[in-house]
Amino acid sequence: AQSVTQLGSHVSVSEGALVLLRCNYSSSVPPYLFWYVQYPNQGLQLLLKYTTGATLVKGINGFEAEFKKSETSFHLTKPSAHMSDAAEYFCAVSGLSGNTPLVFGKGTRLSVIA
Amino acid sequence: NAGVTQTPKFQVLKTGQSMTLQCAQDMNHNSMYWYRQDPGMGLRLIYYSASEGTTDKGEVPNGYNVSRLNKREFSLRLESAAPSQTSVYFCASRASGRSPRGNEKLFFGSGTQLSVL
Repeated sequence: AQSVTQLGSHVSVSEGALVLLRCNYSSSVPPYLFWYVQYPNQGLQLLLKYTTGATLVKGINGFEAEFKKSETSFHLTKPSAHMSDAAEYFCAVSGLSGNTPLVFGKGTRLSVIA
Repeated sequence: NAGVTQTPKFQVLKTGQSMTLQCAQDMNHNSMYWYRQDPGMGLRLIYYSASEGTTDKGEVPNGYNVSRLNKREFSLRLESAAPSQTSVYFCASRASGRSPRGNEKLFFGSGTQLSVL
């Protein structure tokens, strides 16, 4: 069975500050890991994903995440927060087969303060 | 380029009423999914269809039924709606073809906001 835990249901940062959203996963097989973003009243959009290879993954809008197998973590970061980054962020894990549905974390709402 | 289309966008039901949420994708994807989103609970999988002709239960299937009508369409039915089914419902799809890969991107619809009174 696979699961993800997102630490912190709400994170607040100042504009220009570092964004760090935490995600830990549990998986009995090598995982595929994802971060999705949801803006108000919209569906989810893929930010980035880790499959194999380089453990530092770059995504859209300046976000990146690092896969750390030893820590079973996949934290999302952005060096400098922008007001437009305010949204809800979901970490998700999938197994090797495309028939295995994604399992999502409970989400972290990011607020950016001017 | 429509992607994943869900209808309706909003719906209010009375307890005991039935309704069907429709979902269609135009990307020739094999796999389709229904999730519900509740505050503080994230997205929870209701049912999924790995390919045309197959459906499987997810984490929270009770009170729901699904039909994979064809490769494009995957509907979710509430036979007797309950207040606990008040939620935002998302349909999603991904390719997952002959060589299924779990690293494929999920494409989401814009959601259906359902209230059961």
